[in-house]
Amino acid sequence: GENVGLHLPTLSVQEGDNSIINCAYSNSASDYFIWYKQESGKGPQFIIDIRSNMDKRQGQRVTVLLNKTVKHLSLQIAATQPGDSAVYFCAEMYSGGGADGLTFGKGTHLIIQP
Amino acid sequence: EPEVTQTPSHQVTQMGQEVILRCVPISNHLYFYWYRQILGQKVEFLVSFYNNEISEKSEIFDDQFSVERPDGSNFTLKIRSTKLEDSAMYFCASTGAANEKLFFGSGTQLSVL
Repeated sequence: GENVGLHLPTLSVQEGDNSIINCAYSNSASDYFIWYKQESGKGPQFIIDIRSNMDKRQGQRVTVLLNKTVKHLSLQIAATQPGDSAVYFCAEMYSGGGADGLTFGKGTHLIIQP
Repeated sequence: EPEVTQTPSHQVTQMGQEVILRCVPISNHLYFYWYRQILGQKVEFLVSFYNNEISEKSEIFDDQFSVERPDGSNFTLKIRSTKLEDSAMYFCASTGAANEKLFFGSGTQLSVL
């Protein structure tokens, strides 16, 4: 069936380095994508989103890239800080698919090493 | 900043017992959701709720589950007869418009013994 998945379950980077978290989606009808950050014991926290009419969107220290040709989504975090350590989920939505909200990927655990 | 609040943060229950998980969505939001996350796994959709009725539900949301918006602020998830496999973190979410980002609560950790 259709699914959203992540290439790397764990990513370890040095503090201050940039990190890139990748996500593959297989539902070509999806037109809205969100990255969430989840810290231990907490709910998913919105980071950044992008709609399918764009291929890049920037926030504060974060950039999301969307490649619809290969159905790939990435999250770039610049100058990583200890507080960036968390599990990052990509999520997709097809706006014409009813009200079932988001479909989440499996998550990547980002570890920031001092 | 407005946030979704959930109570209790932890719930321990015996198998076969009923539990009610409570949520207060963001006040001007119209769409409400329940998701669950089994330890170490991804977040899974359970049910969406709009205009005082269920909009969509997943295969997980069987007859043992029900949702209710008993008043203008609360949104509840009831599990009638809990099973061991219902043990998970349950997240409530809300949004102000369809096809917009969801805001999640901090979750209720349900442990069924």
